[in-house]
Amino acid sequence: ETGVTQTPRHLVMGMTNKKSLKCEQHLGHNAMYWYKQSAKKPLELMFVYNFKEQTENNSVPSRFSPECPNSSHLFLHLHTLQPEDSALYLCASSPRWGGQDTQYFGPGTRLTVL
Amino acid sequence: GIQVEQSPPDLILQEGANSTLRCNFSDSVNNLQWFHQNPWGQLINLFYIPSGTKQNGRLSATTVATERYSLLYISSSQTTDSGVYFCAVLNAGNNRKLIWGLGTSLAVNP
Repeated sequence: ETGVTQTPRHLVMGMTNKKSLKCEQHLGHNAMYWYKQSAKKPLELMFVYNFKEQTENNSVPSRFSPECPNSSHLFLHLHTLQPEDSALYLCASSPRWGGQDTQYFGPGTRLTVL
Repeated sequence: GIQVEQSPPDLILQEGANSTLRCNFSDSVNNLQWFHQNPWGQLINLFYIPSGTKQNGRLSATTVATERYSLLYISSSQTTDSGVYFCAVLNAGNNRKLIWGLGTSLAVNP
């Protein structure tokens, strides 16, 4: 699947660092999502953007800050993270906002917080 | 909220074997999807199947919405089938957020 790309693929950062994850979709979709995937837990929806407007924030700590400059690009800005934030961060897109459409996922960013 | 349970949690097969993965859900759903996550993390949608049966090559899926379960069949398994299979549902009362199961981790040995 090359429809949704994510960079970087791997990221190691200290708790005081600031970094950003980038997602780009080439599918012409209107909705984009950030998910967190941790071991032994279901995928956790973090944020949803529909037509570049945030429509969902599922009680995500403020050390995660999303940005959606247009319908094709989505960023996740990270600052003062905790070791428990280490996880696989997945970006997805779909034609419409909501679960009624198939979601297309990027390859993920494997984040390690030291 | 709706609960999604997948079984078995882990499965090891020899290449060529068949298998059935199950997804149970605790409430009415408008949508059910099966995904495969390969060992490198890439998630791919396999089926969009709120009800009925669909087939795609060696894979097929059946959802019996009235009995609140779905089955994913893998026939003549190959090593490339290895990975984690997830079921995700859209609760009839909430048309926004997919609810995910914990997945079935499949290893197909040559």
